Amino acid sequence: GAGVSQSPRYKVAKRGQDVALRCDPISGHVSLFWYQQALGQGPEFLTYFQNEAQLDKSGLPSDRFFAERPEGSVSTLKIQRTQQEDSAVYLCASSSGGQGSPLHFGNGTRLTVT
Amino acid sequence: AQSVTQLDSQVPVFEEAPVELRCNYSSSVSVYLFWYVQYPNQGLQLLLKYLSGSTLVKGINGFEAEFNKSQTSFHLRKPSVHISDTAEYFCAVRPNNAGNMLTFGGGTRLMVKP
Repeated sequence: GAGVSQSPRYKVAKRGQDVALRCDPISGHVSLFWYQQALGQGPEFLTYFQNEAQLDKSGLPSDRFFAERPEGSVSTLKIQRTQQEDSAVYLCASSSGGQGSPLHFGNGTRLTVT
Repeated sequence: AQSVTQLDSQVPVFEEAPVELRCNYSSSVSVYLFWYVQYPNQGLQLLLKYLSGSTLVKGINGFEAEFNKSQTSFHLRKPSVHISDTAEYFCAVRPNNAGNMLTFGGGTRLMVKP
């Protein structure tokens, strides 16, 4: 497709369940980012991939959060044993990786943990 | 490390009036600067960016921003707003020496009234 695609758009999970969120970046984009956006706040960085290599995961809030991009294209963000504080919109973005190249964002996955 | 401050969480304005959304940043290195817009239930869309050169940058939808290095600001302006400009606006910075991570401000909700 022409843009970044995320699925599902909405996810409701019971506390303690595991969830997996998918991101299809723009074809050919080497850089991929995950951000977490709490209600009424700006996006907060979670992790960054260049191709299949996870170069920065400093923003992951706990070891329950795990991200992968095994073939350098599609990425999955997994959250284990979800907690209520994990409720947020999870945004994926990709870029061509060139200096100053902008990030292109998907529409996000809204996760609600009950 | 970088930080971004958007002092105004909400800006109400009447249709066809001018508007300025303020953004100040802090960084120990030179940065690239971006403004993104987010419509309800959507991802972030790039409005404009400053990489180098002229400090006045023009973007989409009639928006422009001016980079002021001495005041570490990158305020967003539009001379005449439309109802359709009602959205959340995010200022973001990224170091220009290495890395690709965007740091966002908390956002400003622009509310255009008829």
